[in-house]
Amino acid sequence: EVLLVESGGGFVQPGRSLRLSCAASGFSFDDYAMHWVRQVPGRGLEWVSGISWSGSNIAYADSVKGRVNISRDNAKNSLFLQMNSLRPEDTALYYCAKDLIPQMYASGVLFDKWGQGTLVNVSP
Amino acid sequence: EIVMTQSPASLSVSPGERATLSCRASQSVSNDLAWYQQKPGQAPRLIIYGASTRATGFSDRFSGSGSGTEFTLTISSLRSEDFAVYYCQQYNYWPSFGGGTKVEIK
Repeated sequence: EVLLVESGGGFVQPGRSLRLSCAASGFSFDDYAMHWVRQVPGRGLEWVSGISWSGSNIAYADSVKGRVNISRDNAKNSLFLQMNSLRPEDTALYYCAKDLIPQMYASGVLFDKWGQGTLVNVSP
Repeated sequence: EIVMTQSPASLSVSPGERATLSCRASQSVSNDLAWYQQKPGQAPRLIIYGASTRATGFSDRFSGSGSGTEFTLTISSLRSEDFAVYYCQQYNYWPSFGGGTKVEIK
């Protein structure tokens, strides 16, 4: 069974940093691209960032570009999101999500398994 | 950015009835369209991709159709476990989601 477990969320002041982690199991982690998707509680979904199986291809939503860095450690079946210069509008539940394919291109980003999310709350 | 618009925002349906949900893209996305189901307190689950291909584990009561800019998710004969929020997502050019349709019990 595919299992994705996020951690690292919490309460943080604007301008500070957080590092989110996602521990993956139940599938061959290095065979798939991985993503972060966020959801403001009670609101819709927004793709944040994605990384190809090898880490060679990375992309970010315009709303976070320049402030976040996505990375992965295939040896440890783990995905990370380093979030810097946090803003109140970054407050959301952050999901780790698995793609259907190894590569990540502008076309074809799809999420077939999701974790339960980790909550990030940015407030003074 | 491709903007996805879902309608209606909410839908009240009696068990056993059919629900029809709509999703419109601001420009053509071919058939690069997925649907997700999200229940309270849970993560979204992929139901449909390629506009009409059901994901593993989902009943044939769920069907998707459309191409280009207009898409439909139909849930025939609603069951209690189908009441949830449904999101469409285009993956033709960087992913974007619709605002969701909440299917409620009438």
